[in-house]
Amino acid sequence: DTAVSQTPKYLVTQMGNDKSIKCEQNLGHDTMYWYKQDSKKFLKIMFSYNNKELIINETVPNRFSPKSPDKAHLNLHINSLELGDSAVYFCASSQDPRGSRADTQYFGPGTRLTVL
Amino acid sequence: GQNIDQPTEMTATEGAIVQINCTYQTSGFNGLFWYQQHAGEAPTFLSYNVLDGLEEKGRFSSFLSRSKGYSYLLLKELQMKDSASYLCAVRDRNTDKLIFGTGTRLQVFP
Repeated sequence: DTAVSQTPKYLVTQMGNDKSIKCEQNLGHDTMYWYKQDSKKFLKIMFSYNNKELIINETVPNRFSPKSPDKAHLNLHINSLELGDSAVYFCASSQDPRGSRADTQYFGPGTRLTVL
Repeated sequence: GQNIDQPTEMTATEGAIVQINCTYQTSGFNGLFWYQQHAGEAPTFLSYNVLDGLEEKGRFSSFLSRSKGYSYLLLKELQMKDSASYLCAVRDRNTDKLIFGTGTRLQVFP
């Protein structure tokens, strides 16, 4: 059984389009995250939700909007895609964001977004 | 602010031992994680240190010195499948964010 799953795995689209990436976790975790990994493999937090509530909102363009319909799902919608948005986007989940061993984050397989 | 430094690349021979260092500066330290990431795959959790000392888990060990802002990941009896990137990440106590280093790409040769 897949613990953290993302769809799609690959996404190729034109500049200016709007696209969504979906994430689901079946670990029973309370917290979910979105990370962006650029071409230099640098992994950076974008957003974090705890029980459907936004708790981390990094300085990302407001073209990026996360949505959490329930604590097992965290989707990422991107408007007006730009060339610089090309990257691998990872979803992750953890049990407790407040600083304990339980906060180990488990990552999904990633979505490779290519904007042409 | 936060800063995490790791070597960009390392090479080693099958069966050998390799040590990957990580130094960090953070305004509020609350734990250090090591993740392994194979090319094209997700990062997977390897180890967690919050107190000074060595944590051993099979062929992998991780060490932490909070006073020096320093950690290392030790890989013993290297296997070809250990070729991957190894990411050091520090949790910031003030924000609960996990701040990642740029990773160390390890290549294991026969």
